[in-house]
Amino acid sequence: NAGVMQNPRHLVRRRGQEARLRCSPMKGHSHVYWYRQLPEEGLKFMVYLQKENIIDESGMPKERFSAEFPKEGPSILRIQQVVRGDSAAYFCASSPLGTHTEAFFGQGTRLTVV
Amino acid sequence: QKEVEQDPGPLSVPEGAIVSLNCTYSNSAFQYFMWYRQYSRKGPELLMYTYSSGNKEDGRFTAQVDKSSKYISLFIRDSQPSDSATYLCAMSAPGGGADGLTFGKGTHLIIQP
Repeated sequence: NAGVMQNPRHLVRRRGQEARLRCSPMKGHSHVYWYRQLPEEGLKFMVYLQKENIIDESGMPKERFSAEFPKEGPSILRIQQVVRGDSAAYFCASSPLGTHTEAFFGQGTRLTVV
Repeated sequence: QKEVEQDPGPLSVPEGAIVSLNCTYSNSAFQYFMWYRQYSRKGPELLMYTYSSGNKEDGRFTAQVDKSSKYISLFIRDSQPSDSATYLCAMSAPGGGADGLTFGKGTHLIIQP
């Protein structure tokens, strides 16, 4: 049983470009969460999704950031018009139930904006 | 006051020592408590999960929750160099997945051979 798969592992974007981060949950998991880890900061919750639904996006910046989890395929975190402050590690986690209590994390995507 | 406080360390101990890692929190609604281990440039790995107060043991690891003091601990017995990592505490309130997990900033642990 493969773990949570994230790709790419590393992503470099110039300011103003778009970044797309992908996450495939563990088999049998229908709940996906995205977290951001800034340098010297803890993990911060961004958004919680189930298939085709956004359940909670209270941690998402109001502009430029969006997330989806389509019926088929991976969950996507999309950042438009990236700025230097978006440089961070973005982690996806999945769980079989929507309680976070057994959330398993992927290896993360490290986004660098130059 | 931050919701979850965790000493960033680094905490350096000799191999074989007992390690004590701690977090304090302010939100009395938290009922689920977790400890994650994160190696450099890797994703967090779930170590222990505890519901409400009490102790839980798994091999060399013991998690303790004291809700009256809003204080949680992770003990590592017979520490090994491979235990060197950053340890993150995380917690959440009942009611499903809303709001996500609230994490501490992590304690960097170094086990000296």
